[in-house]
Amino acid sequence: QVQLQESGPGLVKPSETLSLTCTVFGDSISSNIYNWDWVRQSPGKGLEWIASMSHSGGTYYSPSLKSGVTISLDTSKNQFSLRLTSVTAADTAVYYCALLAGGIWGQGTMVTVSS
Amino acid sequence: QSVLTQPPSASGTPGQRVTISCSGSTSNIGSNNVYWYQQVPGTAPKLLIYDDNQRPSGVPDRFSGSKSGTSASLAISGLRSEDGADYYCAAWDDSLSGWLFGGGTKLTVL
Repeated sequence: QVQLQESGPGLVKPSETLSLTCTVFGDSISSNIYNWDWVRQSPGKGLEWIASMSHSGGTYYSPSLKSGVTISLDTSKNQFSLRLTSVTAADTAVYYCALLAGGIWGQGTMVTVSS
Repeated sequence: QSVLTQPPSASGTPGQRVTISCSGSTSNIGSNNVYWYQQVPGTAPKLLIYDDNQRPSGVPDRFSGSKSGTSASLAISGLRSEDGADYYCAAWDDSLSGWLFGGGTKLTVL
């Protein structure tokens, strides 16, 4: 059974870059046929898809967030990452890594953008 | 604003059957699989239904999914107090080349 675990800073200052990593357990990130995904949920709000990446390197980004967002894979560490530049308070949220087509989610990590 | 439209709230009494709808378009629900998630506040979403109407192992058969055209539904029968949670539908959108989520439905068990 695939398991996902997010890691990263819980606090980021405005205008700085948010970087999160998702470690994949129980499967090879380079061979799974599904895309690897990032989703976030602002406090009290619904789920918002951010980005997806296939094992072959194809990337897909939410049009509302496309500027400043990068998703990448590190097959040597069996991890995938999210990078969000120039963050603002509106980026405060719980960030989840997921394998949406497989219905698998990490436990989520809360990121607060504040000085 | 979500492109997949769900009612913001639903309610029922224990033992009742409740249905939650999810309306989309030909580029998402009309051409791709629908997923349903249950989320208890403070926890990660839990998969209830995949591929429109399939239940993962461990999900009670009280939960069922259906789809017709560009709309999907989640039905919960024999409602229990622990079913009180937020429910989200999701589907890949071919025009967006990305995932869409419904706005979520808060289910209250009275």
